[in-house]
Amino acid sequence: SQTIHQWPATLVQPVGSPLSLECTVEGTSNPNLYWYRQAAGRGLQLLFYSVGIGQISSEVPQNLSASRPQDRQFILSSKKLLLSDSGFYLCAWSWGLSGNTIYFGEGSWLTVV
Amino acid sequence: KNQVEQSPQSLIILEGKNCTLQCNYTVSPFSNLRWYKQDTGRGPVSLTIMTFSENTKSNGRYTATLDADTKQSSLHITASQLSDSASYICVVTRNNAGNMLTFGGGTRLMVKP
Repeated sequence: SQTIHQWPATLVQPVGSPLSLECTVEGTSNPNLYWYRQAAGRGLQLLFYSVGIGQISSEVPQNLSASRPQDRQFILSSKKLLLSDSGFYLCAWSWGLSGNTIYFGEGSWLTVV
Repeated sequence: KNQVEQSPQSLIILEGKNCTLQCNYTVSPFSNLRWYKQDTGRGPVSLTIMTFSENTKSNGRYTATLDADTKQSSLHITASQLSDSASYICVVTRNNAGNMLTFGGGTRLMVKP
């Protein structure tokens, strides 16, 4: 069976500090990988998606970046956090194209202070 | 503009009662529609997925309907339980955009004893 794990689950970071959220998927190969953000009381917003190692697409201009150094590893980063980066970040994976279900990780709560 | 609107934003019902959540979308071209359940602070979990040709799909006490002509979907919960308290998110996929999903803002359901 497939599993997705992201960490840390919660973190509080000062403005201007760096960020690194990690996500790994087990039990499958060459998955599509995604990072979403969910601001309080709002819907999920796609930040980045990746269809393969080193292939990253960004959906919205922002202070964040993503990398996929290995097939089943997806990393969300920032060099300098802003207050507006606070939110709930979700990693997700799927097989192939739009007909397939997307499976989400447990999420990471980020509070920038 | 591709949008997904859900109503109501929040709902409180008594345990054992039924309820129906609504989702209207303008996403085009349509590929499929999913309903997710998201417990507070957790990642969303898929409940149902329906394609253009499917009108109804059940998953236990959850029954989703889809009217592709009017671009409306509903999620009906039967004999609600306390564990049904969560946010329910409607997600629509565009047919020509890989795994590009449009998320509704969710309906926050609270089931009280």
